[in-house]
Amino acid sequence: QSALTQPASVSGSPGQSITISCTGTSSDVGGYNYVSWYQQHPGKAPKFMIYEVTNRPSGVSNRFSGSKSGNTAYLTISGLQAEDEADYYCSSYTTSDTLVFGGGTKLTVL
Amino acid sequence: QVQLVESGGGLVKPGGSLRLSCAASGFTFSDYYMTWIRQAPGKGLEWVSYISTSSTYTNYADSVKGRFTISRDDAKNSLYLQMNSLRAEDTAVYYCGKDGSQYYYGSGVDYWGQGTLVTVSS
Repeated sequence: QSALTQPASVSGSPGQSITISCTGTSSDVGGYNYVSWYQQHPGKAPKFMIYEVTNRPSGVSNRFSGSKSGNTAYLTISGLQAEDEADYYCSSYTTSDTLVFGGGTKLTVL
Repeated sequence: QVQLVESGGGLVKPGGSLRLSCAASGFTFSDYYMTWIRQAPGKGLEWVSYISTSSTYTNYADSVKGRFTISRDDAKNSLYLQMNSLRAEDTAVYYCGKDGSQYYYGSGVDYWGQGTLVTVSS
């Protein structure tokens, strides 16, 4: 199972919006609405940010939103804040009854 | 509140074995699928294995199939990962995670432990 494809890095200024893409295949992202997004700060465990493509767990800011089109999922962060600087990972359920993660995207807040 | 605490990591020689444990609290452990995920130093997340409720179903990444075994003890609220025939490429922080759904796998890992480091080196 190949990893999902994410851009290695994205950046934005405080207050701006950014979008991170996550591209898979019809066997994972395109085949199920089971895409999740995680935020990871250095030295910390990942934090659950989005589940089932568009849903936010309780306690996650509404500045974070998810969407999907075909085999690509997206995480959008609006009103960028300094504390959003972190690594972001997508994951998807697959036809092999596994999870597959993206390679991760480093977000820099300028 | 949900807590997941991994233990059992350490330094092991190639070909050796290690058993990781994950102690769960703050939720009805027996009601949820559980997952192991690892992260090699400076690298991304890699899914390792999952186990369903009642241990009915398990599955493994190709990279560990035949070498690792996931299990759970609902009476002890604990998840385990038996790792045999360890290789240098198994070196990573291993996280246990709780799945977000009680009824199916894949909705996402909503709670993570702090991780335990496994180093495979001679």
